[in-house]
Amino acid sequence: QKEVEQNSGPLSVPEGAIASLNCTYSDRGSQSFFWYRQYSGKSPELIMFIYSNGDKEDGRFTAQLNKASQYVSLLIRDSQPSDSATYLCAVNLIGRGRRALTFGSGTRLQVQP
Amino acid sequence: GAVVSQHPSWVICKSGTSVKIECRSLDFQATTMFWYRQFPKQSLMLMATSNEGSKATYEQGVEKDKFLINHASLTLSTLTVTSAHPEDSSFYICSADPGREVTDTQYFGPGTRLTVL
Repeated sequence: QKEVEQNSGPLSVPEGAIASLNCTYSDRGSQSFFWYRQYSGKSPELIMFIYSNGDKEDGRFTAQLNKASQYVSLLIRDSQPSDSATYLCAVNLIGRGRRALTFGSGTRLQVQP
Repeated sequence: GAVVSQHPSWVICKSGTSVKIECRSLDFQATTMFWYRQFPKQSLMLMATSNEGSKATYEQGVEKDKFLINHASLTLSTLTVTSAHPEDSSFYICSADPGREVTDTQYFGPGTRLTVL
């Protein structure tokens, strides 16, 4: 079982719709969770991070964390064509004494104009 | 904001040569830097963790004698790909960790695209 799993997509949504991206992780010791956006040929850029169960909102983005279900999601409201990219879920296992991130394989999002 | 630079942004080299990639944290000190590799259409894979003044910790399957890492200061880490071969062609990305708080994130450099002919 992969440590961090994401549906590879592509996830296609019309412009203005809500895009929902999901991620599951295997290690219950995971303490912090990150969503990165990566455009083709570029390095990842941080969108949001979340540490506590529940929702965290930042502009059009909402991260949701459910540690009991080992599940984290990212909602993008009012999706724009510029949101088309690969979204990477990453987990930080601080409890292991390391601060390296373990990445999922990413979900490719396509926002149709 | 926290800025991490990488140099060069791209490099093309002949098989058998060595290539050095630099990663610098420009406006903060990084106790730890990480090196990732990404092949086309795949996710980032951690290669090694680099702590200032100590030996790097390599992930399983990464040859430490081939990928030499030096973290000489709190703002600079270098990755040297020795005797590069075409299969080493990839996108190499570093990240830097300020290490101040448990909740600190990592800041990624823009990446270096290596092509080995």
